Amino acid sequence: DQQVKQNSPSLSVQEGRISILNCDYTNSMFDYFLWYKKYPAEGPTFLISISSIKDKNEDGRFTVFLNKSAKHLSLHIVPSQPGDSAVYFCAASEGGNQFYFGTGTSLTVIP
Amino acid sequence: EPEVTQTPSHQVTQMGQEVILRCVPISNHLYFYWYRQILGQKVEFLVSFYNNEISEKSEIFDDQFSVERPDGSNFTLKIRSTKLEDSAMYFCASIRTDTQYFGPGTRLTVL
Repeated sequence: DQQVKQNSPSLSVQEGRISILNCDYTNSMFDYFLWYKKYPAEGPTFLISISSIKDKNEDGRFTVFLNKSAKHLSLHIVPSQPGDSAVYFCAASEGGNQFYFGTGTSLTVIP
Repeated sequence: EPEVTQTPSHQVTQMGQEVILRCVPISNHLYFYWYRQILGQKVEFLVSFYNNEISEKSEIFDDQFSVERPDGSNFTLKIRSTKLEDSAMYFCASIRTDTQYFGPGTRLTVL
């Protein structure tokens, strides 16, 4: 069974607006979460991470929110730019040994 | 829901030894990938595989690396003579249409 789920396969947002990408997980023992961005024909690029001791981590235009009680993770991109158009994967780990990835959300930022 | 599986979860080896990392992609998928992530760095593409042959490979994927799909289900990555800098997480992925499913990874430690 998929332990990490991204239920929205695609998302379209106007340039300058906020993009919100969501991720749900089932294993309450996960303690480290990451977001990756992937362009076609390239490997995933690490974006931002958060450990379970925090509920928010911010890096420039990217903010990740963690709601442990709901087992929910979200990535906010503000403001969205056309270059942000890519597939975004969330991943979760218990202790950093194995990472469980979601299936990705394809973000399109419309100029 | 089907999943990509990888074994072992953690492999420790001596420098110069051969290692084989195993992946079982989702059964009706046709494209297969190996990625790696050195601790603290981005996830790097290694190789893609389609129709029983390599379709694309990165500069990292030199003569020390090889991939096989020996029995139609397993997808293996072999490193012939490991180096210290091969220590990383190795991820397998398979794809159907535009959804890429990642395995949980194998942590390779070269001593």
